[in-house]
Amino acid sequence: GQQVQQSPTSLVLQEGENAELQCNFSTSLNSMQWFYQRPGGSLISVFYNPSGTKQSGRLTSTTVIKERRSSLHISSSQITDSGTYLCAMEREQGTGSKLSFGKGAKLTVSP
Amino acid sequence: GPKVLQIPSHQIIDMGQMVTLNCDPVSNHLYFYWYKQILGQQMEFLVNFYNGKVMEKSKLFKDQFSVERPDGSYFTLKIQPTALEDSAVYFCASSPDWGAYEQYFGPGTRLTVL
Repeated sequence: GQQVQQSPTSLVLQEGENAELQCNFSTSLNSMQWFYQRPGGSLISVFYNPSGTKQSGRLTSTTVIKERRSSLHISSSQITDSGTYLCAMEREQGTGSKLSFGKGAKLTVSP
Repeated sequence: GPKVLQIPSHQIIDMGQMVTLNCDPVSNHLYFYWYKQILGQQMEFLVNFYNGKVMEKSKLFKDQFSVERPDGSYFTLKIQPTALEDSAVYFCASSPDWGAYEQYFGPGTRLTVL
């Protein structure tokens, strides 16, 4: 089954509105990352956030490991924020690490 | 920040040919990964690699796939022979070690198999 559940799957905002993206994990995790994927496909790491709250400009991520969830808050959204946001969890395996990704949340910000 | 480079950015080949995708990981990183993303679909783990060995591979890592990193040069993904379903964007990543470390991703190689 799907280890990483993202919600919503898509979101349409007007410029200036806030966005809240959620990620829930079905298994215990060591850490997680948020990525932004441009419409062209390139991947940009937004946060590496194993636990707690991190902020970078208008973006804030909060991970609660015990509750197996993480959120990404985008304040005062801009048109350039449009794209797909992916969350991924790292579950430590006996033979190494790997990221399991969610299906993504497509954000569209309009003027 | 640390950068992972991938060469080429695009590759178009005929079905049945061999292709090698190259990755230049972050220097001093010890763990390397390949992920596959078919257009419009979810990113999927393919394989991880440490100390010259494959540590774990997924079901997507078919027998036609192989990885290596000879003597600290590029970390490569070779597909021989290629199939139509191999068309995807392949992302390379690296991390300082295994466990709870951030993975750094390259920009991807878009592979089109005709």
